[in-house]
Amino acid sequence: QQQVKQSPQSLIVQKGGISIINCAYENTAFDYFPWYQQFPGKGPALLIAIRPDVSEKKEGRFTISFNKSAKQFSLHIMDSQPGDSATYFCAASGAGGTSYGKLTFGQGTILTVHP
Amino acid sequence: GAVVSQHPSWVICKSGTSVKIECRSLDFQATTMFWYRQFPKQSLMLMATSNEGSKATYEQGVEKDKFLINHASLTLSTLTVTSAHPEDSSFYICSARAPLRGATEAFFGQGTRLTVV
Repeated sequence: QQQVKQSPQSLIVQKGGISIINCAYENTAFDYFPWYQQFPGKGPALLIAIRPDVSEKKEGRFTISFNKSAKQFSLHIMDSQPGDSATYFCAASGAGGTSYGKLTFGQGTILTVHP
Repeated sequence: GAVVSQHPSWVICKSGTSVKIECRSLDFQATTMFWYRQFPKQSLMLMATSNEGSKATYEQGVEKDKFLINHASLTLSTLTVTSAHPEDSSFYICSARAPLRGATEAFFGQGTRLTVV
């Protein structure tokens, strides 16, 4: 599998602050970029996803920024809350044929939001 | 949203025995499911792609004779860890393609914690 590199490995923010997590990919065949949130002992849950035909997508407090030329994308969590404390994974996949749903994950970021 | 359920949520088995994990799509038909493995504090690594009615496709380095995958119906895929050893202890997670309005989402089960003693 082609790599997806994620940073930082861990992140601590204060309540109300902005959490920013970055990812970079290599495979130009990727055209679907989701972010997942995972709590300990649970499966990952889809937060938000983007296709490369747009540069930004916002859903509530979560925003994805996408830079196709740089092959980078990032997750911004606005007004971070203690309940957001979890591990976040970026991922990527192709959209067609056998690539559909077959995800390559980043290494994960452990987010801690202090009250 | 689409619901994927795994069973059991956790299992402890003795070294040398086999363990079966079920992955069910509850409210949609899934022609393709995926099996991932996650070691503590690590990312999810794809093990295999499970296709209904055909043989699974395994990722490089995954032993197909050790991790048996069966996808006998459109709503059920099973992963059997054969002759389990302590190094197989991990968090196993399945996902399924959900063809919702042509989207490319994959929905995940809640995972199965396998401990081999």
